[in-house]
Amino acid sequence: GENVGLHLPTLSVQEGDNSIINCAYSNSASDYFIWYKQESGKGPQFIIDIRSNMDKRQGQRVTVLLNKTVKHLSLQIAATQPGDSAVYFCAENPPNTGNQFYFGTGTSLTVIP
Amino acid sequence: KAGVTQTPRYLIKTRGQQVTLSCSPISGHRSVSWYQQTPGQGLQFLFEYFSETQRNKGNFPGRFSGRQFSNSRSEMNVSTLELGDSALYLCASSFGTTLTDTQYFGPGTRLTVL
Repeated sequence: GENVGLHLPTLSVQEGDNSIINCAYSNSASDYFIWYKQESGKGPQFIIDIRSNMDKRQGQRVTVLLNKTVKHLSLQIAATQPGDSAVYFCAENPPNTGNQFYFGTGTSLTVIP
Repeated sequence: KAGVTQTPRYLIKTRGQQVTLSCSPISGHRSVSWYQQTPGQGLQFLFEYFSETQRNKGNFPGRFSGRQFSNSRSEMNVSTLELGDSALYLCASSFGTTLTDTQYFGPGTRLTVL
């Protein structure tokens, strides 16, 4: 499958700090990307998405940045809270794959109170 | 509204057996996708069903199969289980009409093959 990888497998941040989670995707023609959050014992939960015609998209406390030149995605979480502790995945939708998404292996975020 | 439900939540099987997992999507959703999650391979797409038809399929052997019923509930079956099939199996539902329709995941079925 596609090689959607993450630069850091684990990340620890102090409560209140900003978090940045990075992701490298492999298909330069991928048009649509999603960030998911997975808490222990639960399925992934949609956080934010971005299409390839955008460089940045903001949600509530989260921002996704897309750099198509280097095939890089990042998720920024502002004022990180203990409830943000989870594994975060990026996913890409390569062309001609319908609704098929390729996921990264995930980054585990731990928020230190 | 009720979320995606998966049954059973846990399963233990032995090699060579077969297993059937069930997924009930959110009411009104017509698309159900299945994923396998393992520590080594992460989340991998198995297949997607929409209105009782398989619409997309990932790179898994034919031992993995699925179906969808008229009420959008879906089942996946794994035959001749192997140790490597031990994983968390997740299903996700969406309206399925556009790519950007949000997928909602269930809690998963944890399958252990001994």
